[in-house]
Amino acid sequence: DTEVTQTPKHLVMGMTNKKSLKCEQHMGHRAMYWYKQKAKKPPELMFVYSYEKLSINESVPSRFSPECPNSSLLNLHLHALQPEDSALYLCASSQYRDFPPYNEQFFGPGTRLTVL
Amino acid sequence: AQTVTQSQPEMSVQEAETVTLSCTYDTSESDYYLFWYKQPPSRQMILVIRQEAYKQQNATENRFSVNFQKAAKSFSLKISDSQLGDAAMYFCAYRSEDFYGQNFVFGPGTRLSVLP
Repeated sequence: DTEVTQTPKHLVMGMTNKKSLKCEQHMGHRAMYWYKQKAKKPPELMFVYSYEKLSINESVPSRFSPECPNSSLLNLHLHALQPEDSALYLCASSQYRDFPPYNEQFFGPGTRLTVL
Repeated sequence: AQTVTQSQPEMSVQEAETVTLSCTYDTSESDYYLFWYKQPPSRQMILVIRQEAYKQQNATENRFSVNFQKAAKSFSLKISDSQLGDAAMYFCAYRSEDFYGQNFVFGPGTRLSVLP
């Protein structure tokens, strides 16, 4: 199984709502990532989890709260978002650097988020 | 910090012809990985080809090949016999080999159109 799954595919929420995005992989990867992608732009890194511990937080506002309950699952909790947070949210996973040779990222299909 | 540049925001190619997408990067590291990712209009990012910096031989995957010039820090992608399904955004990406190199650096992307 070389797949990263994300739910939901689409999400519309108001600025006062609380919602969560979910990402799952069963490839045994120990690094998992959240990206935000605006139209026609490259993905912007938000968070990196290595062995279920947050290793990189790219100065993301606290209205985004990541969680890694186990090695296969990654959540992104959303609260009090702004309209400018509307974007495609991508999850990815990769082998940790100790597992060569390639270490490429596998991406999920993304969640299209609209904040009203 | 590493940076990745793609100087061609948009390119087009006639079906069955060959096209080359450019990528340059800046790094002081000697060991690293380079990737080309494709993101079709359906938005799922998929890996096209990878290159390890310590390998002198250029990577090839069917109709896709790279021209890796380490000294020039250049990593171009050649697509031969272009097909309609090749139309997509193409992102060049860099991954560090160091212990903390869990993050990828993406270029701004090149939008490729394939003309019938």
